[in-house]
Amino acid sequence: GAGVSQSPSNKVTEKGKDVELRCDPISGHTALYWYRQSLGQGLEFLIYFQGNSAPDKSGLPSDRFSAERTGGSVSTLTIQRTQQEDSAVYLCASSLTGVGTDTQYFGPGTRLTVL
Amino acid sequence: DQQVKQNSPSLSVQEGRISILNCDYTNSMFDYFLWYKKYPAEGPTFLISISSIKDKNEDGRFTVFLNKSAKHLSLHIVPSQPGDSAVYFCAATFLGNEKLTFGTGTRLTIIP
Repeated sequence: GAGVSQSPSNKVTEKGKDVELRCDPISGHTALYWYRQSLGQGLEFLIYFQGNSAPDKSGLPSDRFSAERTGGSVSTLTIQRTQQEDSAVYLCASSLTGVGTDTQYFGPGTRLTVL
Repeated sequence: DQQVKQNSPSLSVQEGRISILNCDYTNSMFDYFLWYKKYPAEGPTFLISISSIKDKNEDGRFTVFLNKSAKHLSLHIVPSQPGDSAVYFCAATFLGNEKLTFGTGTRLTIIP
């Protein structure tokens, strides 16, 4: 079956603009996660969805970052007024139930470059 | 504060030999540990995991060892193959905490 897909694969934007990143999880997976990987860093947790609700938003770095999930499926991560430090690869993952030991399957990521 | 640390950014190993990747953690609450493998331009893929009730888990050429007292785990790949060349991430979590905490990764290069 299809894996996790993300779009766009690459996004170049100017400082101050808003961007939207999209994630399509594996069909039937109730849990969805957003992570980001900055240059030379590990993957940093941003937000977790169980169905359409986000019980853990603790990783969002500022109020410029927001995410939503609709229909228990597609999720969008929005970054408002982008800054150069937002440049990173944004990765989405999904898992069947969201239990900690459940395997998380990752998409290929969106590489965001803020000029 | 880096709760999961991979102190070797890179490692080169001859094909056929054993590759050993190391990971240290500081959070005593972690009770489940995973290794992910990442090729360029792809997302990480799950490789192997271990629960804190075990000290070893084996899957084919891959074995993960956990030393709870030292807060240390390692991934052994034997024999190493060219297709094993990738970045390996160690990750940790605990019951009730759905997110994974990742290390910074180790780039493994297998020399033919």
